[in-house]
Amino acid sequence: DQQVKQNSPSLSVQEGRISILNCDYTNSMFDYFLWYKKYPAEGPTFLISISSIKDKNEDGRFTVFLNKSAKHLSLHIVPSQPGDSAVYFCAASARNFNKFYFGSGTKLNVKP
Amino acid sequence: DSGVTQTPKHLITATGQRVTLRCSPRSGDLSVYWYQQSLDQGLQFLIQYYNGEERAKGNILERFSAQQFPDLHSELNLSSLELGDSALYFCASSPRGGAGAKNIQYFGAGTRLSVL
Repeated sequence: DQQVKQNSPSLSVQEGRISILNCDYTNSMFDYFLWYKKYPAEGPTFLISISSIKDKNEDGRFTVFLNKSAKHLSLHIVPSQPGDSAVYFCAASARNFNKFYFGSGTKLNVKP
Repeated sequence: DSGVTQTPKHLITATGQRVTLRCSPRSGDLSVYWYQQSLDQGLQFLIQYYNGEERAKGNILERFSAQQFPDLHSELNLSSLELGDSALYFCASSPRGGAGAKNIQYFGAGTRLSVL
């Protein structure tokens, strides 16, 4: 059961512009969401998270937005840089869960 | 460097064989998680151990088993291997046992298993 979905397998953006990566979830119990970034030949690395008590969390060029009513979250990268080119995974969980549910990833390509 | 070490990096074996993947968590982390990533797929959660005990189970096949040792390193055993088991296997560790805030998972670089 795919409880976390990333419907866009890939995204291409020009350097300096905004990158918007989307993620949808189905389980209303989820109350904690994360984004991971993965470069080739490396494991995923934690990027940013958001709790369901917030609708926005910002860290430098990265901002995550959460729309609980739509069960949707998005990651904004502004401005995008070539070094941001990677696969981005969103993940979700809940306070009483013992595991995270991951989406299938979106491959971002930032063109110089 | 996440601090999580996985060995070996690559493994090539034949169908029907058995292999063992090893994971050393970050210093101080009590939880270890195993994930499988097949081609163009997301991370499929397999199993979690916390301080030596199984804490959560995902879509792990009966041919697969894992354990966490007293020194907190973990091994994932895959037996009667099939072609479809070819994938990247990731280990992650975290300080605590739950999956909420402040318990971020740190991933190793993965073991790429090729079953021929």
